[in-house]
Amino acid sequence: AQRVTQPEKLLSVFKGAPVELKCNYSYSGSPELFWYVQYSRQRLQLLLRHISRESIKGFTADLNKGETSFHLKKPFAQEEDSAMYYCALSDSGYSTLTFGKGTMLLVSP
Amino acid sequence: NAGVTQTPKFRVLKTGQSMTLLCAQDMNHEYMYWYRQDPGMGLRLIHYSVGEGTTAKGEVPDGYNVSRLKKQNFLLGLESAAPSQTSVYFCASRLSGTNEKLFFGSGTQLSVL
Repeated sequence: AQRVTQPEKLLSVFKGAPVELKCNYSYSGSPELFWYVQYSRQRLQLLLRHISRESIKGFTADLNKGETSFHLKKPFAQEEDSAMYYCALSDSGYSTLTFGKGTMLLVSP
Repeated sequence: NAGVTQTPKFRVLKTGQSMTLLCAQDMNHEYMYWYRQDPGMGLRLIHYSVGEGTTAKGEVPDGYNVSRLKKQNFLLGLESAAPSQTSVYFCASRLSGTNEKLFFGSGTQLSVL
């Protein structure tokens, strides 16, 4: 069975500090991985997906198949980055997404 | 374009009551999903549909039923609500599988007393 693990419930950093939100997955096939974000009083929305190799709002994530990880990184955190972040894994048929339990990021001034 | 619309936004039920949550999307998406969000548990898939007239069970389907009679609508039913079903329910849709992103509704806060 596929599984997504986000080991930190809460990550608190100061503005300007680097951020790394951890995501590890368990999956036997070739994974499709995503990061979704939920800002306060807003809908869940896609932040980035590994296949696009994109950088959104300064965030990047690299798929490491050897370590089965897809950590989300940003070199300099901003207060507006405070939100709940979910890592998600797509199944082999691309029908469903399995989400991790989420990490709340708090960026203090 | 309204995107994904969920109704109602809030509801309080007594144990044993029934209700239906409606999800509507105007993007002609094939795939639709119902998730529940609980503190410390993240998002868990209840049921999903890969096209009109189809439904399938997700991770936590017990106590829920769904129907997808029209492509744009995905209904989630609670036949006999229990306090354990107190949660925030999110509907989502996407055009297809294959790496397409999910579009989420704004959520329904349900309390079962």
